[in-house]
Amino acid sequence: NAGVTQTPKFQVLKTGQSMTLQCAQDMNHEYMSWYRQDPGMGLRLIHYSVGAGITDQGEVPNGYNVSRSTTEDFPLRLLSAAPSQTSVYFCASSYGGNTEAFFGQGTRLTVV
Amino acid sequence: AQSVTQLDSHVSVSEGTPVLLRCNYSSSYSPSLFWYVQHPNKGLQLLLKYTSAATLVKGINGFEAEFKKSETSFHLTKPSAHMGDAAEYFCVVSENYQLIWGAGTKLIIKP
Repeated sequence: NAGVTQTPKFQVLKTGQSMTLQCAQDMNHEYMSWYRQDPGMGLRLIHYSVGAGITDQGEVPNGYNVSRSTTEDFPLRLLSAAPSQTSVYFCASSYGGNTEAFFGQGTRLTVV
Repeated sequence: AQSVTQLDSHVSVSEGTPVLLRCNYSSSYSPSLFWYVQHPNKGLQLLLKYTSAATLVKGINGFEAEFKKSETSFHLTKPSAHMGDAAEYFCVVSENYQLIWGAGTKLIIKP
C-alpha cells in the first residue's frame, strides 16, 4: 500500500532556483492539497485541488504553482526559491475536503 | 471564518497520569473535527475524527475526544500516558474542502 508518495525527502536550493516537489497517490482520491509546516504555526494550506483539471489557492499561495493533469499526481512548483520558503512541505489526499486526509512523509526544503 | 485554537503549546505529564490537550474552534457551520499526531521527524497520522455522529469519539492508542458544541471545544484525553505518546498533536477543523490547523501542542512525558 503506497498511499501518498512525496519526493524528494530533502532538498537544498539556492535563492532564485526553481524546482518541483512531486506528489502521487494511489487511492483514487479526488481531493489533494499541499501544506507547509513551520515551527509554532501548524500546517498552512498552499494550494488544493478537488479533481483533475481543478486547482485553487489556499492560505499562502504566493511563490508556488500547481497543476492537476491526472487524479494521481499533484506537483508543487517553486518558481524562484526564497529563504522564506524554507519549510517542511506535506502533500495530502482525501475522498473529500471533510474526510480523513492521508499525508506523505514530507519534504524538508532549505533555501540558502 | 473558521479557526482553531490549541490552548497550550506544551503539556508535560508523568507517565501513567492522564493527558488533556485542549482545543477550541470557531466555525460557521457544523464542522468536521480531527486530531492528528506527529512523532518527531515523522509524518502525520490521524488519531480520531468527529463528523456529527456520537459526541464522544474514540481513537487509536487509547485517545478519545468529546465534541461540546455549547463550548465550541474538542479536547483530547487519554487516561494514562505512555512514553510513546510523546509527540506533537494538532487539532483540525474542516469546512468547504479546507483543513484549518491549530498551531499544535507538544506533549512531553516524564518518566
